[in-house]
Amino acid sequence: NAGVTQTPKFQVLKTGQSMTLQCAQDMNHEYMSWYRQDPGMGLRLIHYSVGAGITDQGEVPNGYNVSRSTTEDFPLRLLSAAPSQTSVYFCASSRLAGLKETQYFGPGTRLLVL
Amino acid sequence: SQQGEEDPQALSIQEGENATMNCSYKTSINNLQWYRQNSGRGLVHLILIRSNEREKHSGRLRVTLDTSKKSSSLLITASRAADTASYFCATDAYSGAGSYQLTFGKGTKLSVIP
Repeated sequence: NAGVTQTPKFQVLKTGQSMTLQCAQDMNHEYMSWYRQDPGMGLRLIHYSVGAGITDQGEVPNGYNVSRSTTEDFPLRLLSAAPSQTSVYFCASSRLAGLKETQYFGPGTRLLVL
Repeated sequence: SQQGEEDPQALSIQEGENATMNCSYKTSINNLQWYRQNSGRGLVHLILIRSNEREKHSGRLRVTLDTSKKSSSLLITASRAADTASYFCATDAYSGAGSYQLTFGKGTKLSVIP
């Protein structure tokens, strides 16, 4: 199994541009989520999904959209990039949506918004 | 908002010494997890401890949980240079409308000097 994969690894955007961060998992996990990690802030939850067709907002959802059309994929869309969205983005998945489930993380996408 | 807060923020020890990191949280939890993050990589699950457990071991890792003090500690015995990483605690936190989410602290950065 490849586990959780993310593309791209690095991305530079100009303010106002849009882009999609890709996340895929091949473990047939129900639960998928997106976090951003900023220096001194730890990980903050952006959006999550408990199954195909179901998404919900996390702690910091503004400026981001998600969809979950398949079990495997959970893309994160930046509608109009802002410098405040410069961060490292991690996708994670777990077998079920329960809080006792181990989260499996992807390698991350480093995003710089100029 | 962060539920768990790790202490210290940074820790530097010699190889062979023990490393202890602490996590404090604000509200009642069902489970607490510890994760490790090597520089530039995604998080990797280390251990989960349930609210009705007081201590758990996994190899050189020992985790304790004191629900009365709302705190947990992670002990790494006989540390190795390869243990150099950031360590995060994650707790389930009520996020409203009957929903709980996994919330990460800001992490402890551990440096093990050969």
